[in-house]
Amino acid sequence: DAGVTQSPTHLIKTRGQQVTLRCSPKSGHDTVSWYQQALGQGPQFIFQYYEEEERQRGNFPDRFSGHQFPNYSSELNVNALLLGDSALYLCASSGVGADTQYFGPGTRLTVL
Amino acid sequence: GENVEQHPSTLSVQEGDSAVIKCTYSDSASNYFPWYKQELGKGPQLIIDIRSNVGEKKDQRIAVTLNKTAKHFSLHITETQPEDSAVYFCAASIPPSGNQFYFGTGTSLTVIP
Repeated sequence: DAGVTQSPTHLIKTRGQQVTLRCSPKSGHDTVSWYQQALGQGPQFIFQYYEEEERQRGNFPDRFSGHQFPNYSSELNVNALLLGDSALYLCASSGVGADTQYFGPGTRLTVL
Repeated sequence: GENVEQHPSTLSVQEGDSAVIKCTYSDSASNYFPWYKQELGKGPQLIIDIRSNVGEKKDQRIAVTLNKTAKHFSLHITETQPEDSAVYFCAASIPPSGNQFYFGTGTSLTVIP
């Protein structure tokens, strides 16, 4: 059983560019959450998708947007990249009505 | 929202000794408390969790305790091994189920052989 997968592993962008990160949830899971983890910090919640809708959102600007597809996979889009967006972006999946979230390996984004 | 504080930020122990990491939370409505282990270059891995209707949970060398009155919970690792070296994060979640996690700032544990 494949766990949560994310692509790409690493990404380098320049300020002002746009980026798309992808996530496939664990088999049987229908909810996907995205977190940003700055170096030396705990993950910070960006938003959560369920039934192709954004269900919750953390304290992140509108430059951060997402999408969930009918197969439950998800994308995170970040527009107008800033240096401060450099971080590890983590995707987590969970099942219906379940508390537990399982994390993927993350995408390391570097903004130059 | 919830605020989770975690201590210590770094911890070094001799192999075979015990390690304890403590977290406090601010919102008494929080009812789910997972602990994650993150190794270098990897995503967080769930190692144990506890719900607010339980005071203690144990899984082999790992245990978690919860004090709802004081709003704090702790991770205990006994008989530590070098492979326990990693960064550990506590988190809290407010109902309903599946809600966002609020993470602590992490504890870097080093087990010295």
